[in-house]
Amino acid sequence: GQQLNQSPQSMFIQEGEDVSMNCTSSSIFNTWLWYKQDPGEGPVLLIALYKAGELTSNGRLTAQFGITRKDSFLNISASIPSDVGIYFCAGMEYGNKLVFGAGTILRVKS
Amino acid sequence: DGGITQSPKYLFRKEGQNVTLSCEQNLNHDAMYWYRQDPGQGLRLIYYSQIVNDFQKGDIAEGYSVSREKKESFPLTVTSAQKNPTAFYLCASSMHREIYNEQFFGPGTRLTVL
Repeated sequence: GQQLNQSPQSMFIQEGEDVSMNCTSSSIFNTWLWYKQDPGEGPVLLIALYKAGELTSNGRLTAQFGITRKDSFLNISASIPSDVGIYFCAGMEYGNKLVFGAGTILRVKS
Repeated sequence: DGGITQSPKYLFRKEGQNVTLSCEQNLNHDAMYWYRQDPGQGLRLIYYSQIVNDFQKGDIAEGYSVSREKKESFPLTVTSAQKNPTAFYLCASSMHREIYNEQFFGPGTRLTVL
C-alpha cells in the first residue's frame, strides 16, 4: 500500500516557536486527518479536514486541506513542552481506508 | 464513558503460538480497523470491517485473522504464520458514511514474541 510523504521527519525547537509540517501524496484524498501520538499510546485525532482549501483551527493548531487535494499542512503556534510527540497525517481513500505518513517527531526545548 | 478499549496492554508470546488481541468499542460505530505500527513507520492496515459478519484484508493481512460477530467487538488473532509479529497493534473505529467518518483509536497492545 502507498504511504504519504510527511516532512520533516523530526524537529527540535525552542519553546514558544511556531512549528510547521506537511504531507504530500501522488493521490487525491477526500479527507485529511491529523493525529498526535504519545509514546506507548494510541493516536489522538487533532483536526479533520473535508474540503479542498479548508482551513481549520483547534486551539493553537491550524491545518489546511491543499487545493489540489494532494497535500495538507499542520501548524502549531507558540509551542509548549506538552506538544512533544509524534504527529501523523492521514489521507482517506475509497472505502474509508486511511493511508498514513511516517510521522513527524516533535521535541521541544524548555 | 464512550471509547475503545484494547486488552491486554502488553502481551508476550512464544514462537509458534497463536494469540488473540481484544478490541471493544461502545461508540456505536459501524466500522472497525486493525493497524500495525513498527518503530519509525506509519500505521499499516491489517484488516477492516464495515459491518457485522463482514471484513476485508488490508495491506498486510498475511498471518492474521479476524472475526466480527458483534458490532462492538473486533478481535485480531496473530497466528504462527506471521513471520515478524513483534509490534504495536492499534484498533480503531468509525462511522461508515461518506463524510465525517474520522477514525478513533484505542490505546494499543504491544506484542512481543520471545
